[in-house]
Order: sequence, then structure tokens, then C-alpha cells
Amino acid sequence: GAVVSQHPSWVICKSGTSVKIECRSLDFQATTMFWYRQFPKQSLMLMATSNEGSKATYEQGVEKDKFLINHASLTLSTLTVTSAHPEDSSFYICSARDPMTGTYGYTFGSGTRLTVV
Amino acid sequence: DAKTTQPTSMDCAEGRAANLPCNHSTISGNEYVYWYRQIHSQGPQYIIHGLKNNETNEMASLIITEDRKSSTLILPHATLRDTAVYYCIVRVGSNYGQNFVFGPGTRLSVLP
Repeated sequence: GAVVSQHPSWVICKSGTSVKIECRSLDFQATTMFWYRQFPKQSLMLMATSNEGSKATYEQGVEKDKFLINHASLTLSTLTVTSAHPEDSSFYICSARDPMTGTYGYTFGSGTRLTVV
Repeated sequence: DAKTTQPTSMDCAEGRAANLPCNHSTISGNEYVYWYRQIHSQGPQYIIHGLKNNETNEMASLIITEDRKSSTLILPHATLRDTAVYYCIVRVGSNYGQNFVFGPGTRLSVLP
């Protein structure tokens, strides 16, 4: 089945620095990928939709200049958290779907636990 | 997408069947029912999906009522590793560019 690889699985960074998270579709091409954020004991919240070769679409309340998304190829989308602050500490998850699989659901990455100190 | 309602939490004894209900009374004719689960500190895992017929795979069975307003996910022999949050989501199946909207889900605890 479709596999989505997310890296790193966890990262600790100092306040004010930037962190890049990668999301790769390993055995299929994805023109669209989604980035979610999940705070402790809460559900997943969509942050943005990443579109290959074009600008990402951000959900209301998500700062596009803070959460930079680049989808430069059909198998890779990156999320960069710029000037990270402790309130950005969260679990970040990406998802994608093989467009050849009909109504099959999306595959999710294993998530990235970001801790800003 | 249609909204879903699930119980907040459920317990199940190890080895017994876990039956997780989901109400989706406003589901449209072209919307599928999807089930995912999320084990602690991992990304959501696809379980099963269906339109109107009951479905079964190696993980679970999905029973959809005839009027499609509710469904039940059945884990036939729950194990401790099935402890997770289970999400029921309804959406148009073929809509590639549309994300999945997650509600709070049901926290299933499988007890020894």
C-alpha cells in the first residue's frame, strides 16, 4: 500500500530558530499533501494544503510566513517552522493519497514531535 | 462533509469484540464512511471504508445501516494494541484534493 514517510520523528530546538519537517510519498506521486497539527489530548487540525508547483493554501488563523510550505516535487513536501516559539511545540503530521487508488483513504506520516525550548 | 457523532470513550475486554458506533445522519448519497485510528504519538492509520454495503478486511468490519445514517466499526477480537483513538469520518470518496476533517473520535481502552 501507499507509504508516507515523515522526518524527523522528533526534534528539539531553541526558541527563535527554524525547523524543517519533510514529508515524502515513497511509492506514489502526490500533487496534494496536507499538513496537520495536533496539540496534546486534542484532535488533528488542518494547517495547510500543499500543492505541487504552486503556493500552499493555509487555513484561517495559520500564519503563512511562520509555517513555510514547499512542495517542489511530486514526492516531497516540506514544512518549515520559522522563528519557533514554545507555543509552536506540537505534533505535526502530513498526509497524502495515491490518486490512482480511487476512493481509498489518505495515508498519514508517522508525525513529528516538535519541542521548542 | 457530513458531521459525525461518536462516544467520547469506550472500554473493551481483551479478546472480546469492540463495537464502535458512529452517527452521521446528514450523510449525502456520494459520501463514504471512513474509519481511522491513532495510537498514541503516531499518525492516524487507515482501517476501513464503505459506501453502503458492509465491508470486512483483515483489521475490522464495517456495518452501515440501510438508511446510512449510522455505522459500527467492529474489531472482532480486541487486543491491548488496539487501544487508540478511533475516528469516523464521512466525505466524498473520490475527491482527491479535499482533506479529511477529524472530530474528537472515540478513545477505546482495551483492558486485560
